[in-house]
Amino acid sequence: DTEVTQTPKHLVMGMTNKKSLKCEQHMGHRAMYWYKQKAKKPPELMFVYSYEKLSINESVPSRFSPECPNSSLLNLHLHALQPEDSALYLCASSRDPGLTYEQYFGPGTRLTVT
Amino acid sequence: EDKVVQSPLSLVVHEGDTVTLNCSYEVTNFRSLLWYKQEKKAPTFLFMLTSSGIEKKSGRLSSILDKKELFSILNITATQTGDSAVYLCAGGMDNAGNMLTFGGGTRLMVKP
Repeated sequence: DTEVTQTPKHLVMGMTNKKSLKCEQHMGHRAMYWYKQKAKKPPELMFVYSYEKLSINESVPSRFSPECPNSSLLNLHLHALQPEDSALYLCASSRDPGLTYEQYFGPGTRLTVT
Repeated sequence: EDKVVQSPLSLVVHEGDTVTLNCSYEVTNFRSLLWYKQEKKAPTFLFMLTSSGIEKKSGRLSSILDKKELFSILNITATQTGDSAVYLCAGGMDNAGNMLTFGGGTRLMVKP
């Protein structure tokens, strides 16, 4: 089983709203990732969690706030977003952040900010 | 700055053709080269390469890495319409988190 699930599939929010994206994996993976992907562009790394701790933040604006409540769950809290934040948000996981393992991606949440 | 470059940007072929997709990389503390296929949503993992010269195969797809020349190729033989997708390669780094740097992708269209 190499499944990463994400909810919701689609999200439309206003610039003053607060919403959260959720990601879940039950593969026992200890590294989890958030990526942002704009149309016809490759995924861009936002955050990396290694063993439930934030290990990499790629200079992401504070209106994006990640959280890793346990080893299976990863959230991305959104607040005061801008229209340019509209994109496909992908979650991924890999078995061990310290070793060479492939990343498996979830289906993504397509976010539209109005 | 880490860089992964893919070529061609796009490709149109007919069913049954063989295609070769290219990926060159300059990645700090390089650890691995990964290939993904992306249709409408999430990238789907194809291959991970860590050693030079060892071909990996899965059905009609194969890939090889050259760590001296810093490139990889993805071959697809006897292409089918279902192979139509964006193919992404990514360089994996040896750091706390196993970060990936993605190339811009090659958009492949296979016509019947």
